[in-house]
Amino acid sequence: KNQVEQSPQSLIILEGKNCTLQCNYTVSPFSNLRWYKQDTGRGPVSLTIMTFSENTKSNGRYTATLDADTKQSSLHITASQLSDSASYICVVNTGGATNKLIFGTGTLLAVQP
Amino acid sequence: EAGVAQSPRYKIIEKRQSVAFWCNPISGHATLYWYQQILGQGPKLLIQFQNNGVVDDSQLPKDRFSAERLKGVDSTLKIQPAKLEDSAVYLCASSSTGGSGSPLHFGNGTRLTVT
Repeated sequence: KNQVEQSPQSLIILEGKNCTLQCNYTVSPFSNLRWYKQDTGRGPVSLTIMTFSENTKSNGRYTATLDADTKQSSLHITASQLSDSASYICVVNTGGATNKLIFGTGTLLAVQP
Repeated sequence: EAGVAQSPRYKIIEKRQSVAFWCNPISGHATLYWYQQILGQGPKLLIQFQNNGVVDDSQLPKDRFSAERLKGVDSTLKIQPAKLEDSAVYLCASSSTGGSGSPLHFGNGTRLTVT
């Protein structure tokens, strides 16, 4: 069964600190993995996309990594800001003929002053 | 470019009543999705359209939910009759092609409360 698991379920950090969110997946076939940021009361917004051959990709203070062998991804947030408070959702795309999107349940991040 | 528009923003109904949600995708986007997001969970696909044809509705509770996308642009999602467990945020998303490289663009959702 295709599954995407995220950890931790929730996280509280102080403003200015770094944090890392984890995503483990058992999805086959695999086309790409995206991290989405979902602010409270808003729809998810794509942060990064990782394909099979990519190990690291950055978007400002967000850096995503992918280990396709162990089927793990991480999202590292540097120098956190209050505006980083949101839910972060990992989504794996099977691509190909099925082209299914498998969503994780998200990590709820709270950045406190 | 204008984003995905959804209305209403909030809706409160009693169980067994009916409700309809509307979505206007980004102009030119061929693929449109409806997702159900229960509090604390990731979005769950209800139905996917490619232009005005249904690609995937395997998780749509067809005894009470229906959706249409007339002329391959706007879409409506209807629930009739509603149950308590339908309380959730209903997200509409669109993508340019529906291919694996195209990101989903989400609307801000409709929060439905069934009492």
